[in-house]
Amino acid sequence: QSALTQPASVSGSPGQSITISCTGTSSDVGGYNYVSWYKQHPGKAPKLIIFDVNNRPSGVSNRFSGSKSGNTASLTISGLQAEDEADYYCSSYRSHSPLEVFGGGTKLTVL
Amino acid sequence: EVQLVESGGGLVQPGGSVRLSCAASGFTFYNYAMSWVRQAPGKGLEWVSAISGSGGSTYYADSVKGRFTISRDNSKNTVDLQMNSLRADDTAVYYCARGNRGVILSPLEYWGQGALVSVSS
Repeated sequence: QSALTQPASVSGSPGQSITISCTGTSSDVGGYNYVSWYKQHPGKAPKLIIFDVNNRPSGVSNRFSGSKSGNTASLTISGLQAEDEADYYCSSYRSHSPLEVFGGGTKLTVL
Repeated sequence: EVQLVESGGGLVQPGGSVRLSCAASGFTFYNYAMSWVRQAPGKGLEWVSAISGSGGSTYYADSVKGRFTISRDNSKNTVDLQMNSLRADDTAVYYCARGNRGVILSPLEYWGQGALVSVSS
């Protein structure tokens, strides 16, 4: 059982927008603006795509955006492309052990 | 260019030990905290441990506390994970990672390729 709750799968057609939710508690997502999102292709290392709720690392497409409301963070991908098909994980700092928690991951399928 | 290269994985028997090492390059190593994150086969990511830039502060997930020890050698730009009393549920790919800020538990922007540890008799 992961500390943060994500939907197991989402799907969308090319050009559409999708949103992946990440629900925690006031001890993690709701208590801090330290939510990150990672993209992972099978067999590869994760890649940071959003940090501190809504910031993108250099080189990450502006089609990726993040937000947070209460204990739930969200990742939105606009203008879906085939290469967006991957697993996506949220993470958050937590006030008690473990100090960093991940969501269970969401598999994005581009139809 | 930041590079993180893990080594030391392999097959180990339950109750055994293994030491993972991560060689870092392309940045001022002692300025950055380092973390280990693992991923069991077909499962999600799990944060395992972190160590401050000086090595003076260490943190562990409850699942490995008392069995795993993280350490670093700033003269060699390496961070190690000593894993003892291994169990089948420790089987995973272990990633070494560096945050985008020097402080501990900052967003993990750089990752190694991963090292597979299989615990089985």
